[in-house]
Amino acid sequence: KNEVEQSPQNLTAQEGEFITINCSYSVGISALHWLQQHPGGGIVSLFMLSSGKKKHGRLIATINIQEKHSSLHITASHPRDSAVYICAGSTSGTYKYIFGTGTRLKVLA
Amino acid sequence: GAGVSQSPRYKVTKRGQDVALRCDPISGHVSLYWYRQALGQGPEFLTYFNYEAQQDKSGLPNDRFSAERPEGSISTLTIQRTEQRDSAMYRCASSPPSGDNTGELFFGEGSRLTVL
Repeated sequence: KNEVEQSPQNLTAQEGEFITINCSYSVGISALHWLQQHPGGGIVSLFMLSSGKKKHGRLIATINIQEKHSSLHITASHPRDSAVYICAGSTSGTYKYIFGTGTRLKVLA
Repeated sequence: GAGVSQSPRYKVTKRGQDVALRCDPISGHVSLYWYRQALGQGPEFLTYFNYEAQQDKSGLPNDRFSAERPEGSISTLTIQRTEQRDSAMYRCASSPPSGDNTGELFFGEGSRLTVL
């Protein structure tokens, strides 16, 4: 069974801190996605990774294929980064995402 | 439209009633996905379409749930004889043709269903 697991479930940080959210996935998942769910409920795609590392602004996503592990890093965190961050795996040729349960991040000013 | 549009945004219904949830994907997007998200959980796959063809409906929980996309654009998710356990946020997402595909899914704001 394809599974995606995230940690931690909840995370509180002070503004400016470096944040890491982890995601482990099972065999069969060929791409790993990071998404952000805003307090209002909207979901936005941040990254799709099948290898290596991607960076967008203060967000960095990495993936280790051998270890089936991905991380999302936020540098110089800010209260506006407060959201639920979700990782999701997809199998080759489809976007039938398998979602993790999400990490609820709160960044305090 | 500019984004994926879902309606209604909120629906409260009594147990036993039928509900229809609508998704209008981004113009030109070939694939359309339906997900269900319970409170505090990640979204769960229900079904997806390429154009008008329903490619996979393995995530539909039972035969009270059905979906269609007759003209390859707007899709409707129908839940018959609703039960309280059907209460959730129902999310639609679409993706562009494979040649344009960066791997991103574009999500709608969701339809929150409450069954009393």
